[in-house]
Amino acid sequence: DQQVKQNSPSLSVQEGRISILNCDYTNSMFDYFLWYKKYPAEGPTFLISISSIKDKNEDGRFTVFLNKSAKHLSLHIVPSQPGDSAVYFCAASGGGSNYKLTFGKGTLLTVNP
Amino acid sequence: EPEVTQTPSHQVTQMGQEVILRCVPISNHLYFYWYRQILGQKVEFLVSFYNNEISEKSEIFDDQFSVERPDGSNFTLKIRSTKLEDSAMYFCASSEFSSYNEQFFGPGTRLTVL
Repeated sequence: DQQVKQNSPSLSVQEGRISILNCDYTNSMFDYFLWYKKYPAEGPTFLISISSIKDKNEDGRFTVFLNKSAKHLSLHIVPSQPGDSAVYFCAASGGGSNYKLTFGKGTLLTVNP
Repeated sequence: EPEVTQTPSHQVTQMGQEVILRCVPISNHLYFYWYRQILGQKVEFLVSFYNNEISEKSEIFDDQFSVERPDGSNFTLKIRSTKLEDSAMYFCASSEFSSYNEQFFGPGTRLTVL
């Protein structure tokens, strides 16, 4: 049941450049989307979210873009820093549930100094 | 900054034994959740809890699982008779509201069933 897909298992970028992480979803009833970052041996840490009534949300170096017609969202990190190296999860809620988050498999971002 | 805490960080148990995983959610949050992540797989929803009752559960959350809020601060997940396939990271989360709201996760408990 792959309602949320992150097709790139890994991404490597240079420090200072832009990191773009992508996520696709299949359930058109999802109406709230979140990005989490996870370091090894820690729980997911909330980064940024976006409601389906918006197409962009920005918080510092992090911007999330939502394209509802394509059922696609992306997370942009500018500029990327070595401390950003982690696994990034896309998650979605709604779709008939008020409670659960449905996660993608994650993308391992490595930012090289 | 308030955070979700979980104990123990690692639990090793024999197949068939009962385990209780403990969580202290963020104090002003009203909604509580358990998720699990089997090694190499996605983070999966198990159950949500609000107002002292289960509000939603997944197909994974069968009769072997139960949740409880025994006092004003703790939130527990009990697995009555553990199986090998229950080995996973178990994450507790909490949120202030249900929909359109971020959930805050604890550091997880690694459960190993031998």
